[in-house]
Amino acid sequence: AQSVTQPDIHITVSEGASLELRCNYSYGATPYLFWYVQSPGQGLQLLLKYFSGDTLVQGIKGFEAEFKRSQSSFNLRKPSVHWSDAAEYFCAVGPYGGSQGNLIFGKGTKLSVKP
Amino acid sequence: SQTIHQWPATLVQPVGSPLSLECTVEGTSNPNLYWYRQAAGRGLQLLFYSVGIGQISSEVPQNLSASRPQDRQFILSSKKLLLSDSGFYLCAGGPGGRRADTQYFGPGTRLTVL
Repeated sequence: AQSVTQPDIHITVSEGASLELRCNYSYGATPYLFWYVQSPGQGLQLLLKYFSGDTLVQGIKGFEAEFKRSQSSFNLRKPSVHWSDAAEYFCAVGPYGGSQGNLIFGKGTKLSVKP
Repeated sequence: SQTIHQWPATLVQPVGSPLSLECTVEGTSNPNLYWYRQAAGRGLQLLFYSVGIGQISSEVPQNLSASRPQDRQFILSSKKLLLSDSGFYLCAGGPGGRRADTQYFGPGTRLTVL
């Protein structure tokens, strides 16, 4: 069955430190992969997406993610975290079901940033 | 890209009362539209999706229903709210068609059922 796993529920990093958020998926074909960010009480904002081509994808706010087919992973990275990056991050994979553009979302990783 | 509008932003309703949440989309025609519910620590649960006017698919049997009376309007309803309907409701839109693509999210509605 198709699924997305974000193994870390909560991560705390110091401001200026590097960040890596993990995402593993189970999917029968080459997936489309997404990372979204959600600030408290807000909707989700797209950070980046992978459809095909270069496996290292650049996104907004200085984030990048690397698709590793052999590891079924799509980890999100940032070299230097800012206090404003504190939020919840969701990985998603698709399509699934009737292929109506449906995505499966992970349960999210909450990022806290220490000053 | 699309812009998704949702209202109201917050809502407090008594158990047994009706519900109507509205979502409208700007910037595209024929979008796929989605309603999600988000509970703390449980990620996003897809409730309904729609590929066109009057076409609604339900992912989870529940106390809620959805309708799409116009191409860019998606409504989430209930005749009688339950306590368990409390949560954060998100509307999303994506390009029409059969392939997955970016979903754009609205700001959400916080529903509290008392």
